[in-house]
Amino acid sequence: AQSVTQPDIHITVSEGASLELRCNYSYGATPYLFWYVQSPGQGLQLLLKYFSGDTLVQGIKGFEAEFKRSQSSFYLRKPSVHWSDAAEYFCAVGARMGGNEKLTFGTGTRLTIIP
Amino acid sequence: DAGVTQSPTHLIKTRGQQVTLRCSPISGHKSVSWYQQVLGQGPQFIFQYYEKEERGRGNFPDRFSARQFPNYSSELNVNALLLGDSALYLCASSLAVAGFQETQYFGPGTRLLVL
Repeated sequence: AQSVTQPDIHITVSEGASLELRCNYSYGATPYLFWYVQSPGQGLQLLLKYFSGDTLVQGIKGFEAEFKRSQSSFYLRKPSVHWSDAAEYFCAVGARMGGNEKLTFGTGTRLTIIP
Repeated sequence: DAGVTQSPTHLIKTRGQQVTLRCSPISGHKSVSWYQQVLGQGPQFIFQYYEKEERGRGNFPDRFSARQFPNYSSELNVNALLLGDSALYLCASSLAVAGFQETQYFGPGTRLLVL
């Protein structure tokens, strides 16, 4: 069965600094990988997704992600964070089970931005 | 355009009671999925409906049931509530069956507290 681990529960970054969040996955085949963001009182919003091809993918809000197969990892990055980026970030891996496609989410990384 | 809407926003119930949560998808979307997000965890898939038929079910007990109406809105029912059912319940809609190629749009959720 697939699994997702986000090693950092909470990260604090200064406004304007760069950000990198890590996601480790376990899956027997080429994974479908996703990063979602959840702001307080909001639902989840898809930032970006990786299916195949170029290991560097661009998303919304200035985010990008890199897939590293050798490390079974999927890194979310942003060169310069803004106070509005404070939120919970979830990585998810997609798998086909019983003919259906199902997402398994990690436990999330809470991002705090300080001035 | 209105996004995914869910009602109620908050709900308090006692153990053993039954609860019904409602979701209206984005106009034109025919698929609705339900997720449970326990505090400190990532969302867990409960159900997916497409064209009023169940297309996927997560690892939840039979106390959980759902249905989709002709206007594509959906209800999630939970019977015999347990303390562990306390969570944020998220609804997501998509144009077609929620596969990985299909972006899901999440509502803000219904927060259920079971006392």
